[in-house]
Amino acid sequence: DIVMTQSPLSLPVTPGEPASISCRSSQSLLHSNGHNYLVWYLLKPGKSPQLLIFLGSTRASGVPDRFSGSGSGTDFTLKISRVEAEDVGVYHCMQALQTPRTFGQGTRLEIE
Amino acid sequence: QVQLQESGPGLVKPSQTLSLTCTVSGGSISSGGYYWTWIRHHPGKGLEWIGYIDYSGSTYYNPSLRSRVAMSVDRPKNQFSLKLNSVTAADTAVYYCAREVVPAAIGWMDYWGQGTLVTVSS
Repeated sequence: DIVMTQSPLSLPVTPGEPASISCRSSQSLLHSNGHNYLVWYLLKPGKSPQLLIFLGSTRASGVPDRFSGSGSGTDFTLKISRVEAEDVGVYHCMQALQTPRTFGQGTRLEIE
Repeated sequence: QVQLQESGPGLVKPSQTLSLTCTVSGGSISSGGYYWTWIRHHPGKGLEWIGYIDYSGSTYYNPSLRSRVAMSVDRPKNQFSLKLNSVTAADTAVYYCAREVVPAAIGWMDYWGQGTLVTVSS
């Protein structure tokens, strides 16, 4: 199985400041079609998990443009340009290249 | 907008079978191009992908759970289901159902249910 490793595991951020989460995979997620099969989700208690980014850098429908995904191969980053209070939750990366799908441990974003 | 909703017992005794159903609304489970997926989230740990079923009933299960898992689909009811047998406390988790969009034989989950907590305890 592909192992996904996120850092940091906890991320306190002041509103209006930027935030960055790293995700590394044990194998390259770059497919021969040129796409990176890396996905980002946001989990909040009592709510349906939200798809933020797919194919490494494509924002899902309705996701604010302050969220951006980058990276290729084994190293990926989720950036929030200016954190808002509603961004609180746990962010998970997931590799979609192989079954079984595997996830990072999650990064808890908290407002300072 | 597609919505998914998990239902089933919140408490299961050890060694018994966990059974959950996911009801899909806003879209047909019989539509091609999607897999219908189960994921679980252990308290304080990461997410674990359990497996998927497609509209025809073809399945793929996580090898770590394959010996204990069965999924099925009920197209008239627009539902799909999960059964996990011989449960232990290690199976206590929030269980999510989700739709996996598969644009080119490889996909990711785009819509999820809210999740349901299942506790294994006597």
